[in-house]
Amino acid sequence: GAVVSQHPSWVICKSGTSVKIECRSLDFQATTMFWYRQFPKQSLMLMATSNEGSKATYEQGVEKDKFLINHASLTLSTLTVTSAHPEDSSFYICSAPLDRGAGGYTFGSGTRLTVV
Amino acid sequence: AQSVTQPDIHITVSEGASLELRCNYSYGATPYLFWYVQSPGQGLQLLLKYFSGDTLVQGIKGFEAEFKRSQSSFNLRKPSVHWSDAAEYFCAVALNTGGFKTIFGAGTRLFVKA
Repeated sequence: GAVVSQHPSWVICKSGTSVKIECRSLDFQATTMFWYRQFPKQSLMLMATSNEGSKATYEQGVEKDKFLINHASLTLSTLTVTSAHPEDSSFYICSAPLDRGAGGYTFGSGTRLTVV
Repeated sequence: AQSVTQPDIHITVSEGASLELRCNYSYGATPYLFWYVQSPGQGLQLLLKYFSGDTLVQGIKGFEAEFKRSQSSFNLRKPSVHWSDAAEYFCAVALNTGGFKTIFGAGTRLFVKA
């Protein structure tokens, strides 16, 4: 089945540094990917929609300059958390739609980011 | 505004007992409905989905869900829970807005006791 591989699974970084998270679709092409943020014991909050070959679409309240999204190819989308701060610590998950979303979504395994 | 409600924040059931997780949605038309499961520190896995047709849908891991239009509900059930079913369960609605935008419920944490 369709698989999205997300790396790294966890990362610890110092305040002020940047962290890149990658999501790859392994056996299918994903023209669109979604990036979510999940706080402990909460649901997923959609941050942005990544579109291959064009700019990402950000949800209201999400800082574009802090959360840089690049969708360089049909199988790779990246989220870069720039100048990270402790409040950026969270669980980040990517997903790709199946059949444009009508088939549900396949999710990456998530990245636990801790900023110290 | 469209919304998805999972009224139970957490549920505890005994191993071997039956399970029902509730989900209600608010949307003008019949949306695409999904249930996902998330184990701690993991991404989400699709359990089942409903688009149209038979209102009782079967999913993986022995789960099923029933769509009830009159109640705007899509409750998830399992006849006999296993300890490995302990996880977070999310109901989701996909709205056809040109593409499909998905709205997730707040989730229900399932605890299974021996």
